[in-house]
Order: sequence, then C-alpha cells, then structure tokens
Amino acid sequence: DQQVKQNSPSLSVQEGRISILNCDYTNSMFDYFLWYKKYPAEGPTFLISISSIKDKNEDGRFTVFLNKSAKHLSLHIVPSQPGDSAVYFCAASAIERYQKVTFGIGTKLQVIP
Amino acid sequence: GAGVSQSPSNKVTEKGKDVELRCDPISGHTALYWYRQRLGQGLEFLIYFQGNSAPDKSGLPSDRFSAERTGESVSTLTIQRTQQEDSAVYLCASSFTSDLYNEQFFGPGTRLTVL
Repeated sequence: DQQVKQNSPSLSVQEGRISILNCDYTNSMFDYFLWYKKYPAEGPTFLISISSIKDKNEDGRFTVFLNKSAKHLSLHIVPSQPGDSAVYFCAASAIERYQKVTFGIGTKLQVIP
Repeated sequence: GAGVSQSPSNKVTEKGKDVELRCDPISGHTALYWYRQRLGQGLEFLIYFQGNSAPDKSGLPSDRFSAERTGESVSTLTIQRTQQEDSAVYLCASSFTSDLYNEQFFGPGTRLTVL
C-alpha cells in the first residue's frame, strides 16, 4: 500500500526548460512534505519542503506546490540544468509522527543539454 | 566536516547467514534513522533513534532485524538468518534533532545481496 505515489518513473527535459515532477499521497494525516534528490552511488539529499499550512514554497530555481484537496504536490525546476539530472523522491510525514517519513519510489529526471 | 558514512558499501552473503551493517552519523546529530530501498520501491522506514529515548522500531519488517546505537554515535543494523527478500540498499540518515523541519542527512548506503 503506497501512501506516497510518484507515477512517472522517468522524465526527460531540455536544458533551460521547466521540469515538473508530480507526487500524490493517500494519507490525509500527512502534513509535511519533502523532496529529496539522489545521484547514483550517493544518499538522497534534501532539496525543499513544504508544510500543509502553505500551498507554495520557493527556493531559487526550485518551487514546490501543494494542493491539499487533491492530495497532490509538484516540484518545479526552472530553468532546468544538466546537473539537475538525478532521481527525485517525494516524501511525507504526519505531525504526530514526523520522524517517520514515507517516501515515494522516485522519478528519474534527465536534463538534456 | 564528514557526512554520514556507512560500511560496508557492498555486502554479498548467503541465505541464512547473519549480517551487520554500520552507520557513523554526523558528529553532534542526536537523531539517527535506518531505511531500506528494495528494487523498484521507495525508501522504507525501518527504525529511528533519538538520544537516549527508546527507539521507534515500528518499521522493522520482522524479528530477524534489530538495531543498536551507542549513545549518540555509531549504529549497527543486524539482520539474522538473511533471506533473499532482504536484498536491498540499506540507508542510514542522521539529523541534529528530531524536530519537525529538521533535515535528514543520508549516507551512501550499503547494498546487500543475499544469494
């Protein structure tokens, strides 16, 4: 039972264009959401997060949007760069058990020069 | 300025053998987490340590899995009588505290293959 779903296993985008990575969740108790980025042979690294009191959080080229009614979030990267090529994990936790983070299976992004 | 380190990086073992995986968290980080990622799956929470509190073992898949942590330093994850379905990348993470909004820093993982 996957509570955090990333339905696109891969995505290819031209350099300079926008990358949009999508994530859906089923657990209505989730109220804190994170995106992690993973390069091969390395552990995931934290990218950006959003709490359920917001619908948007921006950090440089990265913006996360949250639609609570649809239980959907997305990560926008603009402009995309070749160094952004990695696997992106969506993750979520619930306020009363925030240490227990549930991850999606990841989306592999390839940014083509 | 070392990050989270894990050893070994790769481990191949025979079904039925016991294995020990090690994690060295970032110095000063009081919280430590173990996850595993099986092929085609997301990261699966296993166990969480916070300071001297009792660990949250709710994610351990069976009693063959156990983990210990010495104070706020090294942790070992032990899998007894390994099975083929235990094959996965085992990831360790640490954070300064376990407070909300606290970023987890991950190690590179140990790839376990059970033959």
